[in-house]
Amino acid sequence: QVQLVQSGAEVKKPGASVKVSCKASGYTFTSYSIHWVRQAPGQGLEWVGMINPNGGNTDYAQKFQGRVTVTRDTSTSTVYMELSSLRSEDTAVYYCARVLDASGYYLGYWGQGALVTVSS
Amino acid sequence: QSVLTQPPSVSGAPGQRVTISCTGSNSNIGAGYDVHWYQQVPGTPPKLLIYGNSNRPSGVPDRFSGSRSGTSASLAISGLQAEDEADYYCQSFESSLSGFVFWVFGGGTKLTVL
Repeated sequence: QVQLVQSGAEVKKPGASVKVSCKASGYTFTSYSIHWVRQAPGQGLEWVGMINPNGGNTDYAQKFQGRVTVTRDTSTSTVYMELSSLRSEDTAVYYCARVLDASGYYLGYWGQGALVTVSS
Repeated sequence: QSVLTQPPSVSGAPGQRVTISCTGSNSNIGAGYDVHWYQQVPGTPPKLLIYGNSNRPSGVPDRFSGSRSGTSASLAISGLQAEDEADYYCQSFESSLSGFVFWVFGGGTKLTVL
């Protein structure tokens, strides 16, 4: 069965960077894009960016351009999301999610989430 | 402030039917982009409920249905059950003036089962 297992919670100081991992299993890793969606405490969902593991092409929300980098390691079926220049507003649960179908643009499988807390 | 507007909350009694709207514009839903819906029980990841405006993934009860018309979409839940109490989000795409297309979510709607 499809599983996305994320790394654990992180506490970072303002200005630092954080790197969250998402290990995929149960399917052909390079066949489906992986997306990152975040959710601030008590708030809604916000799309951060995505990667096509087959080739490594990425796309990011304009809001995060220049601060976010999504990469993948095909040898371990793992996707990484690195966010730099952290500020308190970046405190959120960060989810990785896989599209349901190879040709679709909707997220059918989700990781458990990783809480990133930015605090001095 | 999301480009897709949802009511902050809706409520209904068990057995009733409720609808949740998702209102966009000509640069997102009105441009022909599909709308998808997610259900999120607080403290858990979202779950895909409806994709491609009106399709249900395997395992989603047919009590849930979706539609799209013009610049809006809606999610209907019939035969309301206590387990339906959750937050619901619509998702689509927005095209900017520069031609960039990006994912957008609605602000979310909290469903309370009375």
